[in-house]
Amino acid sequence: DAGITQSPRYKITETGRQVTLMCHQTWSHSYMFWYRQDLGHGLRLIYYSAAADITDKGEVPDGYVVSRSKTENFPLTLESATRSQTSVYFCASSTSGGEAFFGQGTRLTVV
Amino acid sequence: AQSVTQLGSHVSVSEGALVLLRCNYSSSVPPYLFWYVQYPNQGLQLLLKYTTGATLVKGINGFEAEFKKSETSFHLTKPSAHMSDAAEYFCACYGGATNKLIFGTGTLLAVQP
Repeated sequence: DAGITQSPRYKITETGRQVTLMCHQTWSHSYMFWYRQDLGHGLRLIYYSAAADITDKGEVPDGYVVSRSKTENFPLTLESATRSQTSVYFCASSTSGGEAFFGQGTRLTVV
Repeated sequence: AQSVTQLGSHVSVSEGALVLLRCNYSSSVPPYLFWYVQYPNQGLQLLLKYTTGATLVKGINGFEAEFKKSETSFHLTKPSAHMSDAAEYFCACYGGATNKLIFGTGTLLAVQP
């Protein structure tokens, strides 16, 4: 199916563990974004990518790592999860110009 | 740096009343501006966008927004609220030089019968 898919939809992990959230899009959009959504903060940009092998920091990048070896995939890794990283994570993709298409989100709980 | 400010984290209107959700932006270059809507437990979907040209833009579900450069505003309106409009609304700003899409903190719209 065409679109943008995030996996898993729900994840519970322990403090200190590494966890990777996956994002896959089928449109061949150049741009991809990772956001976290927290009450009172709206969506905050973690990392974004303008093309394969090009990534850049957003507003809140600390504690996260991304890679983009293929245009269609943009995984987000929490190297050592902390409770403050409990959040809902959204991946999005777009052509140049900002109109973004969002995945359904991953609800991550760090215990 | 780009930023987006949404005034009012919660707005409540009666069914049939005017909806007005406020958004102000800051950008060093002429921005592209967007309104997104999020229903519970879902991702965001685009309501409308302003890139260039006509400053009054119409979107889905009867919503519209007007870009006012002098006021650095992009407020969202709908003449008559419907119960199905209850959701969270996000204003976003895209600055071409940085390729970042930056969101405001959101406004939760409640519609009372």
